[in-house]
Amino acid sequence: KAGVTQTPRYLIKTRGQQVTLSCSPISGHRSVSWYQQTPGQGLQFLFEYFSETQRNKGNFPGRFSGRQFSNSRSEMNVSTLELGDSALYLCASSSSLLSTYGYTFGSGTRLTVV
Amino acid sequence: DAKTTQPPSMDCAEGRAANLPCNHSTISGNEYVYWYRQIHSQGPQYIIHGLKNNETNEMASLIITEDRKSSTLILPHATLRDTAVYYCIVRPDTGNQFYFGTGTSLTVIP
Repeated sequence: KAGVTQTPRYLIKTRGQQVTLSCSPISGHRSVSWYQQTPGQGLQFLFEYFSETQRNKGNFPGRFSGRQFSNSRSEMNVSTLELGDSALYLCASSSSLLSTYGYTFGSGTRLTVV
Repeated sequence: DAKTTQPPSMDCAEGRAANLPCNHSTISGNEYVYWYRQIHSQGPQYIIHGLKNNETNEMASLIITEDRKSSTLILPHATLRDTAVYYCIVRPDTGNQFYFGTGTSLTVIP
């Protein structure tokens, strides 16, 4: 079965712009989480969505937001981009909240802010 | 949230067992230990998880101490493709959010 699909794979944006990243979870998975990975901070949890509701949120400013649609696909948005937002953004899906088997990750979207 | 401590790097000879330690002394009773690995610039890959008993699957074995304050991931016959960053994670019992820490960079040497 298809894995977690993230689009686009690579993106270059200018400081001050906004960006939207997309994630399609594994079929049947209802929980989608987002992570940011940078060389300095490592992998950091952004937020988790389940049944179109945000269930958990990490320690990121309000410029980072997300949503989940009824088909479980998710988008995350970053407004007023800063140079420090350059990172690999990873999406992960799970069959449920507190799924014993944890997540399956996508390959990520590499965002570069110039 | 329970934190984990791992050595920053380890080497292992190809074909030998790789034993990766992790300390999680503040783990609570309902929290699971998970191991993931990340090969350069790919998404992390699930390896194994456990609560209190030792676990084994086709990739690895997980040994959890009786007091649950530490665990060891064992790759029984390391290959060059096992070179990756290995993350030990304690998952809080409030949801799927994982706190990855800095992980152990394992290098398998031919």
